[in-house]
Formats: sequence, C-alpha cells, structure tokens
Amino acid sequence: DAGVIQSPRHEVTEMGQEVTLRCKPISGHDYLFWYRQTMMRGLELLIYFNNNVPIDDSGMPEDRFSAKMPNASFSTLKIQPSEPRDSAVYFCASSHQLAGDRRGYNEQFFGPGTRLTVL
Amino acid sequence: GQQLNQSPQSMFIQEGEDVSMNCTSSSIFNTWLWYKQDPGEGPVLLIALYKAGELTSNGRLTAQFGITRKDSFLNISASIPSDVGIYFCAGQLNFGNEKLTFGTGTRLTIIP
Repeated sequence: DAGVIQSPRHEVTEMGQEVTLRCKPISGHDYLFWYRQTMMRGLELLIYFNNNVPIDDSGMPEDRFSAKMPNASFSTLKIQPSEPRDSAVYFCASSHQLAGDRRGYNEQFFGPGTRLTVL
Repeated sequence: GQQLNQSPQSMFIQEGEDVSMNCTSSSIFNTWLWYKQDPGEGPVLLIALYKAGELTSNGRLTAQFGITRKDSFLNISASIPSDVGIYFCAGQLNFGNEKLTFGTGTRLTIIP
C-alpha cells in the first residue's frame, strides 16, 4: 500500500493568499484526521472525519480554515486568507475501524506532511 | 483542555546507553500510545497500552501504562543511531472517540 499521500510537500505563499492542502488516505480507511505541528504548540488535531462526515472540528483555529472530504479517497484543508502564523507542518492521517476490536484504538497512519510557509 | 507533559524535552546520549522518558497528564486516559517521528516524516506508532499497570515491550522498547491512568513511560535499551528522532506520547480519552491528545515530545540525539 502507498500509505497516506499528501500534496504538496512544501508550499510557500504570501500573506492573504488562499492555500489548499490535499490528502489521499489509505484505501479502505474510514477515518481521516488533519493535524498541525508547530514548535510552540506541538501536534494539534484540527478536525477528523468518519465516513466522509466531519465528527470533531473543535481544533480548527478560526473561520479562515475549512476542511472537506468529498469522497472516501480525498480530503482538502483550505486556508483563506493565509497569515504568517499559519506557518507549520500539516499532517493528514487515516485509520480503519476494526470490527470486533475491543481495544478501542484504531492505529492512525500519518502522511509525510506539508510544510507551509506564509510570508 | 487536556495537556500531556513530556520529560525530558531533549536527551543527548551515547550509542549503547539506555533511555527513559515519561509523560504525565491532568486527565485520565483509556489508552496511552507512544509514537516516533523521524525528520521530515509523520509520526509512526511504536507501542499501544490499554490497561492501567500494563507493561508492554516491542523489541528494545518497553512502555508502561501508569496505575493512575494519568502517566506513562517509555524505555529504550541499548540505543542505536536509528533511534534518533522525536518521541511523542499520546492519549485517547474514551473508546469510540478517535481524538488523540499528543504530548510535547522528547527529542533524542545520539552523540557519536
């Protein structure tokens, strides 16, 4: 399996521009997560989806951020307008609900991340 | 919100030394996890712990789920160069809630 695929790997943009980050989860996975990693705040969950439906978006910083999952194999995270404080590495992760798994934790597999720099 | 505090923040050791790091929380977690992040990559799961008091090993790695369910530690024995990276603990509050809270990370450097 190819693993979680994210694009682009690096993005440099100017303040005020729209940024779109893309993610292709592992085939067959029914959960998709967007995280942001910075030195100051560490790794934070922004939003996660189950079967393409947003379940928890309490980590989305503000209205400038939006995420969509139009189908099981694609998700986007959009920032409009972007600001310098949005500079970070954004990770996408996916997992699969294991039927009958009493442990309760479904391993999240992370993509390589998109390093965003907003000038 | 929940906070997971990891210590130490960074470690500089020589190859062959043992490593110990821990994670504490103000909240009770049902599941504790340890992830490792290599430079330029996303985190990868090392060990998952599901029961208070549980001690689990994965090769040279050993982790324990604290009896109070508010802490966990990770030990690495006989460190090797590929152990370099950032180690994160993470907690899952409830079964069925897929949301993870990550710790602040421990950066491990091996001195030649």
